Amino acid sequence: NAGVTQTPKFQVLKTGQSMTLQCAQDMNHEYMSWYRQDPGMGLRLIHYSVGAGITDQGEVPNGYNVSRSTTEDFPLRLLSAAPSQTSVYFCASRQGLESYGYTFGSGTRLTVV
Amino acid sequence: GDSVTQMEGPVTLSEEAFLTINCTYTATGYPSLFWYVQYPGEGLQLLLKATKADDKGSNKGFEATYRKETTSFHLEKGSVQVSDSAVYFCALMDSSYKLIFGSGTRLLVRP
Repeated sequence: NAGVTQTPKFQVLKTGQSMTLQCAQDMNHEYMSWYRQDPGMGLRLIHYSVGAGITDQGEVPNGYNVSRSTTEDFPLRLLSAAPSQTSVYFCASRQGLESYGYTFGSGTRLTVV
Repeated sequence: GDSVTQMEGPVTLSEEAFLTINCTYTATGYPSLFWYVQYPGEGLQLLLKATKADDKGSNKGFEATYRKETTSFHLEKGSVQVSDSAVYFCALMDSSYKLIFGSGTRLLVRP
């Protein structure tokens, strides 16, 4: 089925470890973004991309890196995991700036111990 | 900056009760407004939207009206079902086309 695919679904990291959360979409969407969801805080934007080769910071970018080498993929890298990064991470995409049709992945639940 | 405020949950209702979840926003200009729903273990799904003042979004029995004068976009449903139990997020699209979310309201509907 077409959509946004996130892997892994669950991950436990030790403080200081690095990892990459994967996000792929097969809808040829230009815009992709990463959010983190924390209790009582809704979803906060980490990084976003308006097309291949273009990325920008959102509200809470510290501790995360992104790249967009293809239209389909938008990985999120944690350089040195910290307990404060324990969260549920969602990737989302949409076609074009005027489109309202955001499609969300099913999320990655990350625990940093 | 732009922001969204929604009522804290959880909201617990009996089946067939009337639902209101309050949402107000602060923004420059007139942003598009959205309600998203998140069922347990899943990502967010667009429930309804409104793009200008006085627009009414509706879907699956849920409704919300864009009220410019009160900067509100309250979600309502006349008769909730157990299957409506979920977390509901109010959101706006800012001038850079990014979504800004409220903190979410958990709804629990009891049989």
